[in-house]
Amino acid sequence: GENVEQHPSTLSVQEGDSAVIKCTYSDSASNYFPWYKQELGKGPQLIIDIRSNVGEKKDQRIAVTLNKTAKHFSLHITETQPEDSAVYFCAAKRDSNYQLIWGAGTKLIIKP
Amino acid sequence: ETGVTQTPRHLVMGMTNKKSLKCEQHLGHNAMYWYKQSAKKPLELMFVYSLEERVENNSVPSRFSPECPNSSHLFLHLHTLQPEDSALYLCASSQEKTGSEQFFGPGTRLTVL
Repeated sequence: GENVEQHPSTLSVQEGDSAVIKCTYSDSASNYFPWYKQELGKGPQLIIDIRSNVGEKKDQRIAVTLNKTAKHFSLHITETQPEDSAVYFCAAKRDSNYQLIWGAGTKLIIKP
Repeated sequence: ETGVTQTPRHLVMGMTNKKSLKCEQHLGHNAMYWYKQSAKKPLELMFVYSLEERVENNSVPSRFSPECPNSSHLFLHLHTLQPEDSALYLCASSQEKTGSEQFFGPGTRLTVL
């Protein structure tokens, strides 16, 4: 079946440094790629998404890049802050489907 | 808050018990979802309802029984569960079944003894 691989499973960075999380998807027909952040005791929350007709999207300290040829997409967080500590999930889907295919998550730890 | 509430937040049950999880969305959405979240695994989609009609059942064991009485409420009825069913159960909603953003509730932490 379709799947999304996410790496690393845990990422520890110094406050103020950048963090990068990478995902690879298998369904070449996927055209929507969201990133969700899950804080302790809460459900996942959408933080940024990208569609297959663009290669990069930025929102303040967060950016996502997409390489359709390689079927890779990545989340970049700059100037990390303690509140960025959470579990981050990538996902992929076709617009015509209702099912998101999820990665296994990355636990991001920001060290003070 | 996301506009999606779930009760109870925590539930401990024996294998012979029957219990129900409740989800309510206040966003005017017409699609609702049940997910199972286990540690270090991708979210597993269990059921999807669109306009109160079940449109997906991902080979979920019959000991899990969903119910969607209207577009704002979703239940998951549990009976004769197994210890491996212990997990966080998340409810989500979206504008329509192919809608891009899903809004999640905080989840119910279920422990089966």
